[in-house]
Amino acid sequence: GAVVSQHPSRVICKSGTSVKIECRSLDFQATTMFWYRQFPKQSLMLMATSNEGSKATYEQGVEKDKFLINHASLTLSTLTVTSAHPEDSSFYICSAQGLAPSSYNEQFFGPGTRLTVL
Amino acid sequence: SQQGEEDPQALSIQEGENATMNCSYKTSINNLQWYRQNSGRGLVHLILIRSNEREKHSGRLRVTLDTSKKSSSLLITASRAADTASYFCATAPGRALTFGSGTRLQVQP
Repeated sequence: GAVVSQHPSRVICKSGTSVKIECRSLDFQATTMFWYRQFPKQSLMLMATSNEGSKATYEQGVEKDKFLINHASLTLSTLTVTSAHPEDSSFYICSAQGLAPSSYNEQFFGPGTRLTVL
Repeated sequence: SQQGEEDPQALSIQEGENATMNCSYKTSINNLQWYRQNSGRGLVHLILIRSNEREKHSGRLRVTLDTSKKSSSLLITASRAADTASYFCATAPGRALTFGSGTRLQVQP
């Protein structure tokens, strides 16, 4: 299957700083990338949908000015957590959908990024 | 918001036993997918069942779907310690996936 990478896999930062997480599709072009957040022992919750070359669509309750998403190319989307606070500590997972999605909206998931804000 | 609920939330069994977890969802679907997540890791796609299918098998996995009850079940037969993970069902009411609450499975060796 297609491969999606995330970088970094783990990051620890101080409160008030900004953190950028990269999501790359390694062997296919992703027209759409999704960003999910997962708190400990909970399920994945969709944060935003990112389309190449256009503004991201955020889910209700997700602050677009705090979670900046850039999908500048067909293989890269970035999520920047601005002015991070301890409550932003979570596991962030991206997924990518290709140019010709299958009939079942096939998505390929990255391995996730563990963010810890001190 | 969460699309569906899964039960049980946690399940502990002995190696060799079967594990059954259930998922309920709220909206109409074209298909339902099951994923596995090892602790602190990404998701692994296990199996997809289409809305016109009632049962599907893949190795030791058996998935059923009852669209009239908006529910699905995942059965893992002859479980192994390596099956220890969280299992999530997922549907796609739009383009993104909506995940159930998950079942944490612990298989004791």
